[in-house]
Amino acid sequence: DAMVIQNPRYQVTQFGKPVTLSCSQTLNHNVMYWYQQKSSQAPKLLFHYYDKDFNNEADTPDNFQSRRPNTSFCFLDIRSPGLGDAAMYLCATSGLAPPGNTQYFGPGTRLTVL
Amino acid sequence: AQKITQTQPGMFVQEKEAVTLDCTYDTSDPSYGLFWYKQPSSGEMIFLIYQGSYDQQNATEGRYSLNFQKARKSANLVISASQLGDSAMYFCAMRGGTNAGKSTFGDGTTLTVKP
Repeated sequence: DAMVIQNPRYQVTQFGKPVTLSCSQTLNHNVMYWYQQKSSQAPKLLFHYYDKDFNNEADTPDNFQSRRPNTSFCFLDIRSPGLGDAAMYLCATSGLAPPGNTQYFGPGTRLTVL
Repeated sequence: AQKITQTQPGMFVQEKEAVTLDCTYDTSDPSYGLFWYKQPSSGEMIFLIYQGSYDQQNATEGRYSLNFQKARKSANLVISASQLGDSAMYFCAMRGGTNAGKSTFGDGTTLTVKP
């Protein structure tokens, strides 16, 4: 049973055309994360939600926004995608009480920017 | 600040043999967790094994074991009896007790299992 679901798995957009990626979870986890991963690199954290509290990484461009309307869903909005934003976008969740709680990842959305 | 170092960009192993993937870490957190993930070419990040900083025993999960040496700040992954399906990128990651448990990842090791 899928626990962290990402849609779509593949997304093609045009330069400058807004795009939204979605993530849902059945784990009832408090924390949800969005990572950007470029080819053969480590995932880079963009931001995370601790319940409803939004936490942005200092180096995340303003072009990237996020929404979490409820516990189960989280969205990544890219307002004006550039060619450099082509990457795999990974959503992850975890319960409270780090460090022992594992992060569970979704299958990712591979974004292509034309 | 946390840092994870994986010094092996690529590794090869013969099918059915064991292989060790290296990971060293640095942190000022007294309490932390160490994780290994497998990422096949499909892109999904699959959790393999977890080791807590206060755990006395090395973690094991099936064919995976974590060789934890706290004084040396190393957390190497050992895969026994390698299978062709083990070919993938492997990431070592750390979570501290603060900062909502954000993970710091190493650069990864690409493992290729030869038949």
